[in-house]
Amino acid sequence: QSVLTQPPSVSGAPGQRVTISCTGGRSNIGAGYHVHWYQQLPGAAPKLLIYANTNRAAGVPDRFSASKSGTSASLAISGLQAEDEANYYCQSFDSSLSAYVIFGGGTKLTVL
Amino acid sequence: EVQLVESGGGLAQPGGSLRLSCAASGFTFSDFAMSWVRLAPGKGLEWVSGVSGSGENTYHADSVKGRFTISRDNSKNTLSLQINSLRAEDTAVYYCAKSLEPYFDSLDPLDVWGPGATVTVSS
Repeated sequence: QSVLTQPPSVSGAPGQRVTISCTGGRSNIGAGYHVHWYQQLPGAAPKLLIYANTNRAAGVPDRFSASKSGTSASLAISGLQAEDEANYYCQSFDSSLSAYVIFGGGTKLTVL
Repeated sequence: EVQLVESGGGLAQPGGSLRLSCAASGFTFSDFAMSWVRLAPGKGLEWVSGVSGSGENTYHADSVKGRFTISRDNSKNTLSLQINSLRAEDTAVYYCAKSLEPYFDSLDPLDVWGPGATVTVSS
């Protein structure tokens, strides 16, 4: 069980907008540590989508955006496409744990 | 093109050992810290080990400390993960991934990933 909580699944129809939350606490996201987001397509390696809370990685379409507020972060995907169907993970750091790198549990996005 | 390719995965018995390698190309390997991250069946990503660009400093998750050893050979652009005392819960796809800086920093994202190597621990 990760200290970064993500919904196990979200879904949306093509063209819609969906958001994926990453909820932490005062020793991780709430302490100001950066949040990064990854997309893992079926059978593929994870790919960096968003780094340092809001910055899109090279080549990532502007349909993907992210924000951070308080102890939570969110990834938003607008104009949903079938190719967006994947698992999404947030990553941060927690000062109360001995773990160096922590990931959220992951969210499976289904495009209806 | 920046590329990472893992090798060395396979089927191993509980209590056995395995060595994973990751061949890097397309960038100055010694300029960047590297990590191993695994994805077990039905679970989420788990960071396993990290190493600084020079190889001097290594870091391991508590779940693998004492059993896993990360190392690198900058002359051969190769990252390695020695896995000993294998357990069933080590069954996973293991990815090598590149950091943005030469020193290992928990706050950094991992910007390039290899396709992964599958490790199956079973008798």
